[in-house]
Amino acid sequence: DAGVTQSPTHLIKTRGQQVTLRCSPKSGHDTVSWYQQALGQGPQFIFQYYEEEERQRGNFPDRFSGHQFPNYSSELNVNALLLGDSALYLCASSFDRGLYGYTFGSGTRLTVV
Amino acid sequence: AQSVTQPDIHITVSEGASLELRCNYSYGATPYLFWYVQSPGQGLQLLLKYFSGDTLVQGIKGFEAEFKRSQSSFNLRKPSVHWSDAAEYFCAVGAKGGGADGLTFGKGTHLIIQP
Repeated sequence: DAGVTQSPTHLIKTRGQQVTLRCSPKSGHDTVSWYQQALGQGPQFIFQYYEEEERQRGNFPDRFSGHQFPNYSSELNVNALLLGDSALYLCASSFDRGLYGYTFGSGTRLTVV
Repeated sequence: AQSVTQPDIHITVSEGASLELRCNYSYGATPYLFWYVQSPGQGLQLLLKYFSGDTLVQGIKGFEAEFKRSQSSFNLRKPSVHWSDAAEYFCAVGAKGGGADGLTFGKGTHLIIQP
């Protein structure tokens, strides 16, 4: 039973570029949440997707956007990259918006140069 | 607004000694509480969670945590640590029954194991 799968594992982008990160949830899960973890910090909630809609957003600008597909997989898009966007991006999947808890993927390490 | 405080940034423990990591939360409703562990460069692994019922929760790798509503605490304990327990530990709070707000994490406690 595959857990949460994220791709790519590492990515280097230039300031001003755009990036897309991908997440496949654990089998049986229908909800995907995205988190940003800066070095030495705890993860911060970006947003959650359920039934292909963004349900809630944390304190992140609209340069951060996402999408959920009918198969429950999700993408996180970041436009106009800043150096401060360098972080580990974690995807967490759950059932029914977190009713029974959350399973995290191993993350995508984004470096903006 | 919900928040989580992990007062200890670093903790050093000798191998075989007992461990307690502190977590205090602020949440306006009945919380879901979690402890996650993260090895360098890796994602988060769930150690244990509290949803309701018995306030002493058993988790994986010999860890346990106790929910104390009166103290707004959810401290993590282990009776005897192993060198492989060295990692970053995160406490998190979420809405009971799930919800779109996601989890709020503390800043983490870095556990160092001395031989």
